[in-house]
Formats: sequence, C-alpha cells, structure tokens
Amino acid sequence: AQKVTQAQTEISVVEKEDVTLDCVYETRDTTYYLFWYKQPPSGELVFLIRRNSFDEQNEISGRYSWNFQKSTSSFNFTITASQVVDSAVYFCALSADKLIFGTGTRLQVFP
Amino acid sequence: DTGVSQDPRHKITKRGQNVTFRCDPISEHNRLYWYRQTLGQGPEFLTYFQNEAQLEKSRLLSDRFSAERPKGSFSTLEIQRTEQGDSAMYLCASSLSGQVNTEAFFGQGTRLTVV
Repeated sequence: AQKVTQAQTEISVVEKEDVTLDCVYETRDTTYYLFWYKQPPSGELVFLIRRNSFDEQNEISGRYSWNFQKSTSSFNFTITASQVVDSAVYFCALSADKLIFGTGTRLQVFP
Repeated sequence: DTGVSQDPRHKITKRGQNVTFRCDPISEHNRLYWYRQTLGQGPEFLTYFQNEAQLEKSRLLSDRFSAERPKGSFSTLEIQRTEQGDSAMYLCASSLSGQVNTEAFFGQGTRLTVV
C-alpha cells in the first residue's frame, strides 16, 4: 500500500525564519515519484517539484530546497527566509500511476 | 486560459438531488483525474482516465458516483442522491502519461455543499 505522512499539522513562523516541512512515505514500488504541491487560500493546487526514486540529489530553487533520503523514506521541504506570501497548506504526494497525498501542513508566516 | 477548467465553481444542492460537474483538461493531456478534498484533509483519489478509458476507481467511489470521459477530452462526474457527507471540494487534474511520470495540473475545483 502507498501512504504519505505529514506529521506536522500546522507550523507558525515569523517572517525571515527558515522552516522545514517533513514528509515520510511508504511504497513497495521500486520506481515512483514524489511531489510537493502548495495550496494557497484561493484553493488551487500549485505544483512545486517532482523527484523520481532514482534521483537522490537535493535540489534548490530560490528560497526552496528539497532533501530526498531514500534510506529513511523522507522527502523534506525547506523554505529559507520565509515570507508572508509563503502562507499556505503544503502537500507532499507519492505517485506510481496516480497521486497519493498526505494530509498537508498548514504554514502560517507572520510579519 | 489554457489550464484545467472546472464548472461550476460552487454548487449548493438539497439532499437527495443529483449533481453533475464538468472538467476540461489541458488540451494535449491524455490523463484526467478526479479527487475529493474535505476540510483539513489532503485530496483523496477517486478515479482516473487515460483517454476515454476509466483505468481505476477508488473504493471511495460508491455506486452513487459515476464519471465519464466519452471522447477522451472533457470529463463529467455525477453524484446521484446526494448526501450531506458528499459535501467537499471536487478537484480535477490532468497530465501526460508516458515513460516519465509528469506532474498533474489541477483545476480550481468545484465546491459542493449538500444541505
């Protein structure tokens, strides 16, 4: 069975703080993909990143970075120098043929 | 706008009525997915199509739910005899299938309220 766990229900930080959102997954597939999506208050899910199971290189995109560790089945997401506009619900997802989402982490960034 | 389009954006219906939602995917995408999201939860998979073929249905999809994609383009999701527990956001997504599992692009959703 496939499962994604986001243990952090809600995180609050003050602007400019760094914040890490945790994601742990379970799958028996050897080939799979991991995703992060952002859901702002408007409700639309916005794609942030895709990573395949054979690529464990960390990735940085501006203030965003992702740490994929297959040994611990984790795919964590760090926002550096957070901004108020980062406030949203963030979902980690796992896919072999369809996306399976975690329950999400609500991030609130206060000015 | 060339993204995924869903109609209507909001629907309020009385318990027991039937409702139908429409999703227009990104034109070149051959996969189309339906998800349901309730407050405080992540999207839950309902069903997906590759072209006009419905390849998988979740156990969440009771007999009152039916989805179609007759020409491999737009899709409809119908809920018969709605119940209050059907109140949720219904999300549609599309993607390109192939050897590389591409990301799914989501529409803005249809929010259903059953009163």
